[in-house]
Amino acid sequence: EVQLVESGGGLVQPGGSLRLSCAASGFTFSSYWMHWVRQAPGKGLVWVSRINTDGSRTFYADSVKGRFTISRDNAKNTLYLQVNSLRAEDTAVYYCARVPNIGQFDYWGQGTLVTVSS
Amino acid sequence: QSALTQPASVSGSPGQSITISCTGTSSDVGGNNYVSWYQQHPGKAPKFMIYDVSKRPSGVSNRFSGSKSGNTASLTIAGLQAEDEADYYCCSYTSISTYVFGSGTKVTVL
Repeated sequence: EVQLVESGGGLVQPGGSLRLSCAASGFTFSSYWMHWVRQAPGKGLVWVSRINTDGSRTFYADSVKGRFTISRDNAKNTLYLQVNSLRAEDTAVYYCARVPNIGQFDYWGQGTLVTVSS
Repeated sequence: QSALTQPASVSGSPGQSITISCTGTSSDVGGNNYVSWYQQHPGKAPKFMIYDVSKRPSGVSNRFSGSKSGNTASLTIAGLQAEDEADYYCCSYTSISTYVFGSGTKVTVL
């Protein structure tokens, strides 16, 4: 069974940092592109970032470029999102998702909540 | 990248059909066939419902169907059921190798 479990969220002050993790199991993690998608409270889904199978290619939404860094450790079956210089508008549930082919977000984790507030 | 435009809400009675639109630009919806749709119940993670405009993943009811014309994609739910009450989001790949989701549509079963 495919499972994605996010962790690392919490309350952080503006300007602070966090590292989010997504532990994958039930599939060959190293064979899949992985993505982060976020959802502010009561709002819609917003694509954040993606990374290729070996971690050599990354893409970001303009709103997080230069502040967020996606990475992966295939030996540990884990996806990461380093979030720096956090702003109030980054407050959201952050989901990781598996994408086997372009546009196919087929499995999602349960999300981890990041709250940016003083 | 601005969110794709969806109606805020759509409603229908049990057994009826409803259609949710998703309007983008030639740089996303109109520029490729990588449009997908997701269902999200309150407090839950999104569920994969449609990909490549009109294909259904294994296990998704055939009451759900997708289509596209120009810069607008659509999701139709036939034979509306109480369990279909949820938020629905479209998503498109873009010309700059990123993704954009729709603004979301709340479906209410009357």
